[in-house]
Amino acid sequence: GDSVTQMEGPVTLSEEAFLTINCTYTATGYPSLFWYVQYPGEGLQLLLKATKADDKGSNKGFEATYRKETTSFHLEKGSVQVSDSAVYFCALTSGSARQLTFGSGTQLTVLP
Amino acid sequence: NAGVMQNPRHLVRRRGQEARLRCSPMKGHSHVYWYRQLPEEGLKFMVYLQKENIIDESGMPKERFSAEFPKEGPSILRIQQVVRGDSAAYFCASSSPGSTNTGELFFGEGSRLTVL
Repeated sequence: GDSVTQMEGPVTLSEEAFLTINCTYTATGYPSLFWYVQYPGEGLQLLLKATKADDKGSNKGFEATYRKETTSFHLEKGSVQVSDSAVYFCALTSGSARQLTFGSGTQLTVLP
Repeated sequence: NAGVMQNPRHLVRRRGQEARLRCSPMKGHSHVYWYRQLPEEGLKFMVYLQKENIIDESGMPKERFSAEFPKEGPSILRIQQVVRGDSAAYFCASSSPGSTNTGELFFGEGSRLTVL
């Protein structure tokens, strides 16, 4: 079945540091890939997505590139802010499935 | 512009009691999904509903769990005879018909069930 493996957290960075959160997947067919973010006390929000190989999703300074050859969708940001502190979830849908398959989430804390 | 509304935010039940969790989707959304997040784990799909129809319940436990999305009113996830292993965060998400196949879901803040 489909699965998503995320870099284990928690991750603690200083403000303006470079962020990478690794995500790899296993799926049948050609999945669509997503990053969702959950800020403290809130529900999950879609951060970015990519629907085919080599697509790059980007939003709020975050980027992730759909790499079919390595089955990866790593999340990056060049300079994190305290307000980026949240839990980040990698996810996919594939085939005719309407539901998302999520990774276990990575807690990011950014210190001033 | 209200988002997905879930209630209660926190629910405490004793073993053997029933838990009812409610979800009102975003305005204009007719598709509802329930996910469960166990401690230290990712979100796991439970069920996908449209108004008055269960479309996919492949993630629902075979016993004690049920879900509905009536023509009027919120979607309800019902857990009968709760056990300690049911303690988790239950998230509801909604989507519009146009975004159903794109994976873009809008999530509520979750309902955290604690079974004593």
